[in-house]
Amino acid sequence: LAKTTQPISMDSYEGQEVNITCSHNNIATNDYITWYQQFPSQGPRFIIQGYKTKVTNEVASLFIPADRKSSTLSLPRVSLSDTAVYYCLVGASLTGGGNKLTFGTGTQLKVEL
Amino acid sequence: EAGVVQSPRYKIIEKKQPVAFWCNPISGHNTLYWYLQNLGQGPELLIRYENEEAVDDSQLPKDRFSAERLKGVDSTLKIQPAELGDSAVYLCASSFVANPPQGNEQFFGPGTRLTVL
Repeated sequence: LAKTTQPISMDSYEGQEVNITCSHNNIATNDYITWYQQFPSQGPRFIIQGYKTKVTNEVASLFIPADRKSSTLSLPRVSLSDTAVYYCLVGASLTGGGNKLTFGTGTQLKVEL
Repeated sequence: EAGVVQSPRYKIIEKKQPVAFWCNPISGHNTLYWYLQNLGQGPELLIRYENEEAVDDSQLPKDRFSAERLKGVDSTLKIQPAELGDSAVYLCASSFVANPPQGNEQFFGPGTRLTVL
């Protein structure tokens, strides 16, 4: 299993940029890094996925250093509605290589006015 | 397009009773997952199907849990008999995984909250 470590919680204010870092020291060659967001009583929702360097979409950026042993999810200008649990997921999509898909314990982000 | 559908949304049973959960994945998705999520924890993978084949069921407690994915579409997860410790949310997810893989975005259903009394 690709063990991941994230901060348990983070606090921020509306309009600020939030960076959540995930450590995954035993990431395998075939593994992708994926971040999910989860609100209470809902299933996780995909935010962003990457393999190396930087990935950006309309809601977030994902920074992955060359050694891939960590990754940072960056949320620009957060709002109250971004209050949720964020999970870092490391694993491979097919059998035969890479780590099993594993969710970490997640980071509870709380955004205040 | 409809998302992943799960039913029931809630289920309350007494211990030692059987229970079943149903999942209808997004059309065209070849991979289906069942997860268990305890309060305050991340989802834990129980089983993963690629089409109709269970390719990873190492975390499934096979003495009481079983799953099937008929014709590579819908799936059912069963617990028999249920124990108090099975109380949790059971999540189903699906994805389309290309070969070679280009990554894997999973789409989750709302989950079934099981309470065992």
